[in-house]
Amino acid sequence: TQLLEQSPQFLSIQEGENLTVYCNSSSVFSSLQWYRQEPGEGPVLLVTVVTGGEVKKLKRLTFQFGDARKDSSLHITAAQPGDTGLYLCAGASGSNYKLTFGKGTLLTVNP
Amino acid sequence: DAGVIQSPRHEVTEMGQEVTLRCKPISGHNSLFWYRQTMMRGLELLIYFNNNVPIDDSGMPEDRFSAKMPNASFSTLKIQPSEPRDSAVYFCASSQTRGPYEQYFGPGTRLTVT
Repeated sequence: TQLLEQSPQFLSIQEGENLTVYCNSSSVFSSLQWYRQEPGEGPVLLVTVVTGGEVKKLKRLTFQFGDARKDSSLHITAAQPGDTGLYLCAGASGSNYKLTFGKGTLLTVNP
Repeated sequence: DAGVIQSPRHEVTEMGQEVTLRCKPISGHNSLFWYRQTMMRGLELLIYFNNNVPIDDSGMPEDRFSAKMPNASFSTLKIQPSEPRDSAVYFCASSQTRGPYEQYFGPGTRLTVT
């Protein structure tokens, strides 16, 4: 069974701080996706990384896929209250359509 | 595109009643997924379909749960009879059947069984 461990589980920071959340596994994934979920809504896809070592930037968010495609990180620079939400990582393997989801990091950015 | 559509958004029912959740996937997406989310267990995959055919239902908790996809634009998840422990948010998601298998989620149905 493939597992994705996310850390930390909870993170509460002040506006303007930087943060990094992690997504780790012992399994290799063909691609890894990050989602953000706000209260009362479904998860929304932020980014997909496919190549080992790949780095993608989305405004203040930087996503990195590990060289061995077993782990990923999300770094947020100068966090804002609008970044508050549950961040989920999910991995795809080969031609299997389903994703393996981590349990998420619940981020609160206080003004 | 309207995105994935789910109904109802909220459902409150009494134990023992039948509950039917509905989903319309994004047009052109061949795969459809039903998830359940709770604080304790996170996001759990219940069942998924490819081209309207159920592929993996190993996540369905027990025989009280059933899912159908009669055509490419509609799926249902039924719970009969419902129990208080079924209370959760149920999500439907759809994706294309080619990598990297990005899934697009609906807004969810919050089910409360009293």
